[in-house]
Amino acid sequence: EAQVTQNPRYLITVTGKKLTVTCSQNMNHEYMSWYRQDPGLGLRQIYYSMNVEVTDKGDVPEGYKVSRKEKRNFPLILESPSPNQTSLYFCASSSLRDRVSEKLFFGSGTQLSVL
Amino acid sequence: GESVGLHLPTLSVQEGDNSIINCAYSNSASDYFIWYKQESGKGPQFIIDIRSNMDKRQGQRVTVLLNKTVKHLSLQIAATQPGDSAVYFCAEREGAQKLVFGQGTRLTINP
Repeated sequence: EAQVTQNPRYLITVTGKKLTVTCSQNMNHEYMSWYRQDPGLGLRQIYYSMNVEVTDKGDVPEGYKVSRKEKRNFPLILESPSPNQTSLYFCASSSLRDRVSEKLFFGSGTQLSVL
Repeated sequence: GESVGLHLPTLSVQEGDNSIINCAYSNSASDYFIWYKQESGKGPQFIIDIRSNMDKRQGQRVTVLLNKTVKHLSLQIAATQPGDSAVYFCAEREGAQKLVFGQGTRLTINP
């Protein structure tokens, strides 16, 4: 089954404790992206990647890191989480058509709470 | 910056009726639009997309209309069912690599 898999589904942590949210897709997609979803603010892009070793900032990259060492994986790293990073996070992937991202496939989400 | 927005945050319809969810966009250069459905506790799910060189596209029970003159996008759902209850997002492609999402409309189906 074609899917985007995120782990963990829920995560509670404390301020300053480094964490990683994993994302993997099995559709051989070139493009991957991370979004956060907050009430009243909708989905906002954090980082995206056009292919292996190619990443770029989205609208709200502060406090986050990503890496794309393999085509299927795109982990989101919070080096020193803060309470304002409490949010629902989604990983997404898509194929590229003429270097343009087409429809995104989303994971099930990771609900992060930073205390 | 330019953004995608929705006219109504909530919409209630009777089961069996048709639903129309509206979306206004402001970036006249956008060339691609998508509708997503998000059920409670799940990630957004692709419904239908449309390119700017089209004004209408139909799927199974869904139709997307694009009016570039007034920068308006709508999603029509025919014969609404309980399983259609969800939050619906429109999104426009901004540049080559980013989708900009609207705030979402919550669709509630009344029995």
